[in-house]
Amino acid sequence: QKEVEQDPGPLSVPEGAIVSLNCTYSNSAFQYFMWYRQYSRKGPELLMYTYSSGNKEDGRFTAQVDKSSKYISLFIRDSQPSDSATYLCAMSAVDAGGTSYGKLTFGQGTILTVHP
Amino acid sequence: DGGITQSPKYLFRKEGQNVTLSCEQNLNHDAMYWYRQDPGQGLRLIYYSQIVNDFQKGDIAEGYSVSREKKESFPLTVTSAQKNPTAFYLCASSAGRATEAFFGQGTRLTVV
Repeated sequence: QKEVEQDPGPLSVPEGAIVSLNCTYSNSAFQYFMWYRQYSRKGPELLMYTYSSGNKEDGRFTAQVDKSSKYISLFIRDSQPSDSATYLCAMSAVDAGGTSYGKLTFGQGTILTVHP
Repeated sequence: DGGITQSPKYLFRKEGQNVTLSCEQNLNHDAMYWYRQDPGQGLRLIYYSQIVNDFQKGDIAEGYSVSREKKESFPLTVTSAQKNPTAFYLCASSAGRATEAFFGQGTRLTVV
């Protein structure tokens, strides 16, 4: 069983739709949670970063973390064709000193297409 | 502009040859990482380095080697021992006490 599971899709939605992307994980030590967006043949771009449980909103994007269920989500409101990309969830644990040096465990990515 | 530069963008090599991928960052980040991405898969950690002259193996280090002689640079060598070297290689860095990793634009290595 993989530490992080993400539905690969592909997911196709019309412009303006609300998109929900999800990941589940098994390692209870994960405390930092991230969402990256990756366009074709490019490096991943950090979208959202949250620590522990809760919600975080940034423009059209909302990230949710439910540590009790080991489940994280990314919501995209008013989706645009420019949102078409692969979305990767990532997470990391803390070391004994209480910090994490970005050693991330990734889901396999969800391919999203937003059509006009 | 601050960022992470990977070169070259595309690389072709014959089977059995070693090849070195370059990664340079000017973000003054302490930690640097190499990930590998295969089609339809997430990123898998090859090596990481938290400080100069020190590095640790990630989940798939076999067939790879790295060095960290300067804070700004973290080159990755793909050796002939790596059985399936064709992949998209991504370098990343993060600040010392933060956890967000920032990525370069990747090097696509094809071994023929």
